[in-house]
Amino acid sequence: AQSVTQLGSHVSVSEGALVLLRCNYSSSVPPYLFWYVQYPNQGLQLLLKYTSAATLVKGINGFEAEFKKSETSFHLTKPSAHMSDAAEYFCAVSGVGAGGTSYGKLTFGQGTILTVHP
Amino acid sequence: ETGVTQSPTHLIKTRGQQVTLRCSSQSGHNTVSWYQQALGQGPQFIFQYYREEENGRGNFPPRFSGLQFPNYSSELNVNALELDDSALYLCASSLDRKGEQFFGPGTRLTVL
Repeated sequence: AQSVTQLGSHVSVSEGALVLLRCNYSSSVPPYLFWYVQYPNQGLQLLLKYTSAATLVKGINGFEAEFKKSETSFHLTKPSAHMSDAAEYFCAVSGVGAGGTSYGKLTFGQGTILTVHP
Repeated sequence: ETGVTQSPTHLIKTRGQQVTLRCSSQSGHNTVSWYQQALGQGPQFIFQYYREEENGRGNFPPRFSGLQFPNYSSELNVNALELDDSALYLCASSLDRKGEQFFGPGTRLTVL
């Protein structure tokens, strides 16, 4: 079974400050890991994904995440927050089958709402 | 290129009724996955359809059913609606079963 835990349901930062959103996962097989962003009344947009290549993954809008197997973590960071980053962020995991194929089922965390103050 | 679209945007039903939600997949995608997102929660996997066949199901009762059509669009049907079925229903399409999932804007279902 797979699971995702996002530490902190709400994170508040000032504009220009570092953004750090935490995600820990549990998986019995090597995972694929994802970060999605959801703006109010919209669907999910993929920010970045880890698929067993480089452990430091760069995504859109200046976000990046580092896969740490020893800590079972995949925290999302951005050096300098912008007002437009205010949204809800979800970490998700999917299984990896034979030959490195990813199963279709995504298991999501509870989400972290990011607030950016001017 | 048209992305994933869902209809309707919003829907209000009463307990015990039945509802059908629709999803048009992105061009070239043959796989559709459905998720339920209750207020304040992360999305929960309902099921996935690949080339018109169900390809995996989450922990949802049989009154949640689906279809995928030859053009790879999909429907989610929910019978005997309960108050707890109130949620945002998200559809995602992908090139195949293991591909990156592209999400639609969702259908907001309210059950009174």
